[in-house]
Amino acid sequence: GIQVEQSPPDLILQEGANSTLRCNFSDSVNNLQWFHQNPWGQLINLFYIPSGTKQNGRLSATTVATERYSLLYISSSQTTDSGVYFCAVDPYNFNKFYFGSGTKLNVKP
Amino acid sequence: GAVVSQHPSWVICKSGTSVKIECRSLDFQATTMFWYRQFPKQSLMLMATSNEGSKATYEQGVEKDKFLINHASLTLSTLTVTSAHPEDSSFYICSARGPTVLNEKLFFGSGTQLSVL
Repeated sequence: GIQVEQSPPDLILQEGANSTLRCNFSDSVNNLQWFHQNPWGQLINLFYIPSGTKQNGRLSATTVATERYSLLYISSSQTTDSGVYFCAVDPYNFNKFYFGSGTKLNVKP
Repeated sequence: GAVVSQHPSWVICKSGTSVKIECRSLDFQATTMFWYRQFPKQSLMLMATSNEGSKATYEQGVEKDKFLINHASLTLSTLTVTSAHPEDSSFYICSARGPTVLNEKLFFGSGTQLSVL
């Protein structure tokens, strides 16, 4: 099956700093999404981005489908950005999403 | 928006008992819902795909008789953990594809922490 790898596994930032999270996948995908899981377990959909670039406030994402990676940018980080960021891919459009191992982000005040 | 509600948020039960978890799409119809399992500090693993009006599709290695899924309506799917044992303790999360204009996105319930004593 498809392999989804995220880096870095852990990231500690000072409030106000910027960061880039990476998601590599081993095969072509029809659907790629980024999620934020807060400390209470709730997953929030950040981006649907099988290709191209999108921005939403301080967050933006870019997927280069031909090179099989996606990047999530967080600018001017805030303590509320803390949590785990997952990318998930559906390679066959069969409603089966494969999740990466996540990047745990800790933003310190 | 697309709101998915999941109940209960946490449950503690004795070994050998059954536990039912509900997942509802509040403001849209979801013909397909998904159940995931997450162990501490690990990623999400798809357990099964729940289809309204038909049998669920289970992932390899997931016991159908232990994890019973029922999708009786377009807004409700339930997961019943039968004869629960301590190794079934985990965080269970449901999700659904969004409504028409958001159909490509996944929306998640808030999860259920199951602890089996």
